[in-house]
Amino acid sequence: EDKVVQSPLSLVVHEGDTVTLNCSYEVTNFRSLLWYKQEKKAPTFLFMLTSSGIEKKSGRLSSILDKKELSSILNITATQTGDSAIYLCAASSYDKVIFGPGTSLSVIP
Amino acid sequence: NAGVTQTPKFQVLKTGQSMTLQCAQDMNHNSMYWYRQDPGMGLRLIYYSASEGTTDKGEVPNGYNVSRLNKREFSLRLESAAPSQTSVYFCASSELAGGVYEQYFGPGTRLTVT
Repeated sequence: EDKVVQSPLSLVVHEGDTVTLNCSYEVTNFRSLLWYKQEKKAPTFLFMLTSSGIEKKSGRLSSILDKKELSSILNITATQTGDSAIYLCAASSYDKVIFGPGTSLSVIP
Repeated sequence: NAGVTQTPKFQVLKTGQSMTLQCAQDMNHNSMYWYRQDPGMGLRLIYYSASEGTTDKGEVPNGYNVSRLNKREFSLRLESAAPSQTSVYFCASSELAGGVYEQYFGPGTRLTVT
């Protein structure tokens, strides 16, 4: 059965801290690993990773995929209160996407 | 571009009532999806449509039916609502490109079944 696991499930940090969110997957016919940020409403896209070992960066966020370990990490440096959200990891196969439970991140001033 | 739109935004049903959630996208995407999101469960796939004219069950299809009306529209129907179907429902679409794609989400429908 296809599944995606994320850890930790929740995390509280202080502004300025660096955090690492983990995602592991078991998906038949894996194609890509996706990260989303969900604040109050719909998830918004952050990264899509298809190749192992190539880091993708967007400002203070970065992510990398390890296909050998079937895992990915999302790093956020110099966290801000605006980073407080649920971070969803998802693994896509040819025709569907399986989501993990999400990591709830709270950044306190 | 409106992206992905969903109606209604909120709905309260009594047990046994039926309703249809509507979803439309204007990005000319081939694939469309219905998810439900419950606390601590992430997003769970109910049904998806890889292309116009096809629909397939996802992880939690029981109690739901779908219709891919055309390339733009994908509706989700609850024939006899149950309290266990209280959830937030998201529609999403994507452009299938070699099996590698990102999804765009609608704003969600918050459904309460009493």
